[in-house]
Amino acid sequence: DAGITQSPRYKITETGRQVTLMCHQTWSHSYMFWYRQDLGHGLRLIYYSAAADITDKGEVPDGYVVSRSKTENFPLTLESATRSQTSVYFCASTFDRAQPQHFGDGTRLSIL
Amino acid sequence: AQTVTQSQPEMSVQEAETVTLSCTYDTSENNYYLFWYKQPPSRQMILVIRQEAYKQQNATENRFSVNFQKAAKSFSLKISDSQLGDTAMYFCAFMKPYNQGGKLIFGQGTELSVKP
Repeated sequence: DAGITQSPRYKITETGRQVTLMCHQTWSHSYMFWYRQDLGHGLRLIYYSAAADITDKGEVPDGYVVSRSKTENFPLTLESATRSQTSVYFCASTFDRAQPQHFGDGTRLSIL
Repeated sequence: AQTVTQSQPEMSVQEAETVTLSCTYDTSENNYYLFWYKQPPSRQMILVIRQEAYKQQNATENRFSVNFQKAAKSFSLKISDSQLGDTAMYFCAFMKPYNQGGKLIFGQGTELSVKP
């Protein structure tokens, strides 16, 4: 089915581990985004990408790494997970910066 | 820096009644977009309505409408004939202008409960 999919839906890991969250979209949208959702903060932008091989930091990028070798994929990596990175992570995409973003179903990440 | 504030963490409404969710924002920009997103317990983020700042007419989508007051930097969402399926977290979002990457800035959310 066309759309934007995130995997895994749930993940539990330990502090210090590396973990990668996957995001795949089938619309060939140029723009992709990663947000984290925490109580009392709404969603905050971690990183975004305007096209393949073009990425830039958002509001809360520390501790995260992204890559975009292909237009359809935008993985988010926590290189050394910390408890403060326990959150729900959303990936989003859009074909134009002035248009609404379409969101994946989110990944709930728990770091013990 | 732009900020978005939703001052009502929780609200409740009886089924079939009308409820209004508040949102204020701060920006020095003249052209931008505003959105309301709905997040039901399933965790999906669903676009409810969109407003372009250059349009004076308030956006409407079926039972959902906004009251956009540009000078006051206010963007409230009115839900008419509330339904049980409207129970969700609602987020107001400001989109930075095109030349600033079109990034979304979200408010903290309002949790709406529709009671039978």
